[in-house]
Amino acid sequence: AQRVTQPEKLLSVFKGAPVELKCNYSYSGSPELFWYVQYSRQRLQLLLRHISRESIKGFTADLNKGETSFHLKKPFAQEEDSAMYYCALRDSGAGSYQLTFGKGTKLSVIP
Amino acid sequence: NAGVMQNPRHLVRRRGQEARLRCSPMKGHSHVYWYRQLPEEGLKFMVYLQKENIIDESGMPKERFSAEFPKEGPSILRIQQVVRGDSAAYFCASSPSTGEGSDTQYFGPGTRLTVL
Repeated sequence: AQRVTQPEKLLSVFKGAPVELKCNYSYSGSPELFWYVQYSRQRLQLLLRHISRESIKGFTADLNKGETSFHLKKPFAQEEDSAMYYCALRDSGAGSYQLTFGKGTKLSVIP
Repeated sequence: NAGVMQNPRHLVRRRGQEARLRCSPMKGHSHVYWYRQLPEEGLKFMVYLQKENIIDESGMPKERFSAEFPKEGPSILRIQQVVRGDSAAYFCASSPSTGEGSDTQYFGPGTRLTVL
């Protein structure tokens, strides 16, 4: 069974400090990995996906198949980055579209 | 585009009553997904529907839960004879069937169900 683990429930960093939100997964097939973000009082929204290899709002994430990780990074945290972050996995091969989510990490950026 | 709409946003039911949660997908989207989030947990997949078809219901409890997405109107998640353990946030997501963004799920604001 596929599983997504986000080991940190809460992460606090100072403004301007680097941020790394950890995500590890277990899956034997061909996974697609995503990061979703939920700002206060807003709905869950896609931040980025590994197949796009893009940087959104200064965030990047690289899929490391050897370590089965998809950590989210940003070199300099901003106050507006404070939010709940969820890592998610999808099986790209079996025709299933369900997402498997981690429990989420709450990022708090201290001014 | 108003985005995915869910109503009600908050729903309170007593044990044994029925709960009906509605989801209107984004305009042009024909795929709908339902997820449940228990306190301190991540979202858990429940069911994936296309118009008039249930494609994957592997995450649905076997009893009391059902979902539909009729040709006209919103998708409905129905919970019969609710129990306290059904208290959770229920999220709906939608995606287009083909083309750009077809692999991206757009989420609604959720319905918070409280069972007394």
